[in-house]
Amino acid sequence: GESVGLHLPTLSVQEGDNSIINCAYSNSASDYFIWYKQESGKGPQFIIDIRSNMDKRQGQRVTVLLNKTVKHLSLQIAATQPGDSAVYFCAVQSGNTPLVFGKGTRLSVIA
Amino acid sequence: EAGVTQFPSHSVIEKGQTVTLRCDPISGHDNLYWYRRVMGKEIKFLLHFVKESKQDESGMPNNRFLAERTGGTYSTLKVQPAELEDSGVYFCASSRTGDEQYFGPGTRLTVT
Repeated sequence: GESVGLHLPTLSVQEGDNSIINCAYSNSASDYFIWYKQESGKGPQFIIDIRSNMDKRQGQRVTVLLNKTVKHLSLQIAATQPGDSAVYFCAVQSGNTPLVFGKGTRLSVIA
Repeated sequence: EAGVTQFPSHSVIEKGQTVTLRCDPISGHDNLYWYRRVMGKEIKFLLHFVKESKQDESGMPNNRFLAERTGGTYSTLKVQPAELEDSGVYFCASSRTGDEQYFGPGTRLTVT
């Protein structure tokens, strides 16, 4: 089955700097990848997704990069703001199988 | 558009008791999912409804857990009898297409 690994459980960045959060997955058949943001007391909130036929997708201040060769997924946040402080989860899916989540990275923004 | 709502937000029960969690998905979303996050671990899938039918219940831990979605609208997840290891945050999510899932705020269950 799929497993999703975490590179760093916590990450601290200075306000205004760029943040990079990483995930690694195990199943080469995985074809759908999502990043979620979870703030305290709330459920995971969809940020951005990418399918396996792409290697990069950009949103507002966020970019997701997918490297299928090494089965690696990253989320880049530009000009990190205090409101970006949260736990970030990657989730991976293969076909219609259930989402498999990573353990999450807690991002702290230092003002 | 109202989001996914869950009730209660927090429940504290004793081992052996019964608890029922409720999830109201976004209106029009046929797909409804239950997940659980046990302290310090990752969010794990429990089951998936499409309308009132169970599409996938491979993540249900054991037969103490029963999920229903009568009428294809709201869903309930009952734990009977609750054990200490059932403590965690239970999330519900809904989706129109099966892709982007919208999560509720979760129910924090504490079994003592």
